[in-house]
Amino acid sequence: QQPVQSPQAVILREGEDAVINCSSSKALYSVHWYRQKHGEAPVFLMILLKGGEQKGHDKISASFNEKKQQSSLYLTASQLSYSGTYFCGLLVTDSWGKLQFGAGTQVVVTP
Amino acid sequence: GAVVSQHPSWVICKSGTSVKIECRSLDFQATTMFWYRQFPKQSLMLMATSNEGSKATYEQGVEKDKFLINHASLTLSTLTVTSAHPEDSSFYICSARGRGLGNEKLFFGSGTQLSVL
Repeated sequence: QQPVQSPQAVILREGEDAVINCSSSKALYSVHWYRQKHGEAPVFLMILLKGGEQKGHDKISASFNEKKQQSSLYLTASQLSYSGTYFCGLLVTDSWGKLQFGAGTQVVVTP
Repeated sequence: GAVVSQHPSWVICKSGTSVKIECRSLDFQATTMFWYRQFPKQSLMLMATSNEGSKATYEQGVEKDKFLINHASLTLSTLTVTSAHPEDSSFYICSARGRGLGNEKLFFGSGTQLSVL
């Protein structure tokens, strides 16, 4: 089942912050975050494997609340290069480790 | 870092023809490869999962006779869209997971934009 992402889109000025949320109706094993630019393949940002874990990638960080079955991605002091569509992916705990992606959050950072 | 090469980047074909898309892991052994399909401004929808040497596992609603997947080696998986029709036009992306690469991280190919006339 597809995770639920919110918001669908966000427009930021350079330097502003934003939060993207991802929630699941199922128990989460891990959460993946990817960013995709138009016409390109998704690029890996980070994986969160443990409940409560927080990780960072430059000024992009994420948290994982296993109990609430949700994860949040934090864009801090956004840069123009942060523009793109962000997808959360949830690991389905079967033998193949399939990732189910959310609908995506389009982020536009303006000068 | 690990690289996944996908070819072709884009292809235009006539309705009724078949198109083959290749996905290669260049510097690691891809134990599992995933094929996704993406419509404009939509999410990546998992089509099938393939493991080297075994039959692909298709997601519900994906026609296995239409989307043939072959994972003949640890570095190559192919997706063949048979008898393509305009509704098959989409962005197809492969991804791979390899041994000893953090176990869960996916490496994506650059995608193939298929346009069926």
